[in-house]
Amino acid sequence: EDQVTQSPEALRLQEGESSSLNCSYTVSGLRGLFWYRQDPGKGPEFLFTLYSAGEEKEKERLKATLTKKESFLHITAPKPEDSATYLCAVPSYNTDKLIFGTGTRLQVFP
Amino acid sequence: DVKVTQSSRYLVKRTGEKVFLECVQDMDHENMFWYRQDPGLGLRLIYFSYDVKMKEKGDIPEGYSVSREKKERFSLILESASTNQTSMYLCASSLGGTGQETQYFGPGTRLLVL
Repeated sequence: EDQVTQSPEALRLQEGESSSLNCSYTVSGLRGLFWYRQDPGKGPEFLFTLYSAGEEKEKERLKATLTKKESFLHITAPKPEDSATYLCAVPSYNTDKLIFGTGTRLQVFP
Repeated sequence: DVKVTQSSRYLVKRTGEKVFLECVQDMDHENMFWYRQDPGLGLRLIYFSYDVKMKEKGDIPEGYSVSREKKERFSLILESASTNQTSMYLCASSLGGTGQETQYFGPGTRLLVL
């Protein structure tokens, strides 16, 4: 069964304290892995798509990496405005449906 | 930029009322999706549509129906609202086809059923 697991559920960081969020997945034939950011009370905002092991993508203080079993979202020197829930998702094997993890709620304190 | 809009940000309805949630996308996407999001349960797919007048059940379709009469518009209908349908409802769209699965979300509708 296709599955996505994110850890930790919640993460509290001091401003400037770098860390990583994990997304592990089991799916038959990976066709991409997606990262989203979601602010409270709003819809998820698309961040990155990764397609193959070894691929990396960066945006400001965020860098996403992908292996054959998991993806990491690295946050370098975070700021309070990076506080949000970060979701990852993979397409199910033979449909356009996305399987979402339950997210990591990140709080960055000044 | 892809834009997905939803008709209401907040709605308050009574038990038994019929509720319509509207979603419009402006990027000529083939696929459209309705999710609900609840604390601790994440995003759960209610219904999706690959084309006009086509619909497919997601993981939790009970108590809901959908309509897609035009490519850009996808409506979610609660025939008789119940308190357990209080939730955040999210609409999304994607271009469709292999490698085009990126879904873009609307701002969400927070529905409270009293």
